[in-house]
Amino acid sequence: DTGVSQDPRHKITKRGQNVTFRCDPISEHNRLYWYRQTLGQGPEFLTYFQNEAQLEKSRLLSDRFSAERPKGSFSTLEIQRTEQGDSAMYLCASSSTAAGDTEAFFGQGTRLTVV
Amino acid sequence: AQRVTQPEKLLSVFKGAPVELKCNYSYSGSPELFWYVQYSRQRLQLLLRHISRESIKGFTADLNKGETSFHLKKPFAQEEDSAMYYCALIPTGTASKLTFGTGTRLQVTL
Repeated sequence: DTGVSQDPRHKITKRGQNVTFRCDPISEHNRLYWYRQTLGQGPEFLTYFQNEAQLEKSRLLSDRFSAERPKGSFSTLEIQRTEQGDSAMYLCASSSTAAGDTEAFFGQGTRLTVV
Repeated sequence: AQRVTQPEKLLSVFKGAPVELKCNYSYSGSPELFWYVQYSRQRLQLLLRHISRESIKGFTADLNKGETSFHLKKPFAQEEDSAMYYCALIPTGTASKLTFGTGTRLQVTL
């Protein structure tokens, strides 16, 4: 594995359904981030983990959103009762705090369409 | 709270012309600034950051704390530079979340 992978790449769901996305970070990276990107905007931070601990959540992350990183490796982002406004690209990134490196490596993203 | 502003949504230049993508930021502390690039059908990737002070693919960017700017420059644009460019910042040394601008699409035409 040489990069961050996200699954699925595309998801179409009906309003009101629950969806779950998965992110596999670069294996030695202890930090994992979720961002959301809508058309014409830059990525907006949602939440991040250091190992298995969720250290920060954005106010963008409503109660319908939950993220986990149970063993400090892969992470899941679940959206319950999806709404049309949830349609966006969901990006995962990982980084390492070793040696003070601050570069974030991004996955290809999961594009969610709520119909 | 920090903020990054990229005033141009689209910048169109001819091949061989100079390029300058503008980025201004607001942050009360000491920021670390980045330029990320996304080529067509590829993932977002780091282009350069101010602390390394290096030139990548002919691009440079200088942090101007007085003007709170971090403009990206290249003296001669190439077709392969066509992409979406995002300026971003984090508080220095925190390895924390990135705050992105809205991005500028660079279009290099013949």
